[in-house]
Amino acid sequence: EAGVVQSPRYKIIEKKQPVAFWCNPISGHNTLYWYRQNLGQGPELLIRYENEEAVDDSQLPKDRFSAERLKGVDSTLKIQPAELGDSAVYLCASSLEAGASNNEQFFGPGTRLTVL
Amino acid sequence: DAKTTQPPSMDCAEGRAANLPCNHSTISGNEYVYWYRQIHSQGPQYIIHGLKNNETNEMASLIITEDRKSSTLILPHATLRDTAVYYCVHAMFGNEKLTFGTGTRLTIIP
Repeated sequence: EAGVVQSPRYKIIEKKQPVAFWCNPISGHNTLYWYRQNLGQGPELLIRYENEEAVDDSQLPKDRFSAERLKGVDSTLKIQPAELGDSAVYLCASSLEAGASNNEQFFGPGTRLTVL
Repeated sequence: DAKTTQPPSMDCAEGRAANLPCNHSTISGNEYVYWYRQIHSQGPQYIIHGLKNNETNEMASLIITEDRKSSTLILPHATLRDTAVYYCVHAMFGNEKLTFGTGTRLTIIP
């Protein structure tokens, strides 16, 4: 069974440029998460989707970050414009559904973003 | 936010049991303890979770103290592939908001 797929794996851009990350969750998983992981730190939740609805985006910097999950499957996270401090690994995860008996989160390999 | 305290790093000899401690003194009565690990250049991987009873699966064992303020993850026979950062988090069962700390960097020594 395929895991969570993310692309690209690496991205280098100059500051003020836009960037987008794509995530394809595990088939059948209704819940999708985007995390940001700074160097030496644990992942930090940015946004969580239940199907196509964003149910927790309290940690998403809405001035420059946006996300969508059309049709409740794939998701895209966008930054526009990027700043130097956005350099991090962006992780996507998915889980079966809220309240499932074992709501294990499955993580993708992440996209490493470097902003110059 | 839920907070846990873990030692920043630990070493363990290959083949020995690795015991990773975690303090979660602010855990509430309906929160579970979850353990994830992150191998270099990969996303975190779920290991185990528990409420108040000790748990065991094919990867590890989880020992939770009676007052639930701390727990220990045990890898019974550590291998080089167990070298990773191990995160202890506590959250409501089925709750999707996992708050990761900085974890413990476990190094298995040949």
